[in-house]
Amino acid sequence: AQSVAQPEDQVNVAEGNPLTVKCTYSVSGNPYLFWYVQYPNRGLQFLLKYITGDNLVKGSYGFEAEFNKSQTSFHLKKPSALVSDSALYFCAVRDTPGGSYIPTFGRGTSLIVHP
Amino acid sequence: SAVISQKPSRDICQRGTSLTIQCQVDSQVTMMFWYRQQPGQSLTLIATANQGSEATYESGFVIDKFPISRPNLTFSTLTVSNMSPEDSSIYLCSVPGQGSTDTQYFGPGTRLTVL
Repeated sequence: AQSVAQPEDQVNVAEGNPLTVKCTYSVSGNPYLFWYVQYPNRGLQFLLKYITGDNLVKGSYGFEAEFNKSQTSFHLKKPSALVSDSALYFCAVRDTPGGSYIPTFGRGTSLIVHP
Repeated sequence: SAVISQKPSRDICQRGTSLTIQCQVDSQVTMMFWYRQQPGQSLTLIATANQGSEATYESGFVIDKFPISRPNLTFSTLTVSNMSPEDSSIYLCSVPGQGSTDTQYFGPGTRLTVL
């Protein structure tokens, strides 16, 4: 079975400071991991993914995430937060091989960047 | 990538009535997904709609409550029937990307409020 946890409902950070949004997962095989962002009144937009290879994945809008197999984590990071980064962030996982074709989403973390 | 539109973008409905949500994709896709996003909760998959066959519903969701149509490869509808305030949610249409490692693409969502 595949599952994902986002332990923080909300993350607050000052503009210009680094940000981290946490995600941990559980799979039987190898994970495909995804981060999505949802701005107010918008659908989810893809940010980045880890399939295989380099553990540090770079994505849109300056975001990156590090795959850590031993800690079963895939935390989203950005070196310097912008007010415009304020949004809802979702982590998702697919178990491979043999897992569901459809990923499981975390409950989302609301990121608030203060000016 | 896929561009997805949904109608309506939002609606306020009375208890006991039904609302049909439309989802249009700019390319032909075999599978379309319908999700529910309740306040403070994760995305919950309602059903998978394949063209030419009955939709497959997830545990806790039934066809009588959420009938789905899939008349062609670019369009689907989800009806929320006999609504109650507990049905107040954002309903999202989604399609898979190309191949097992690709992301999902989401529509902008329909924000439903049931009074």
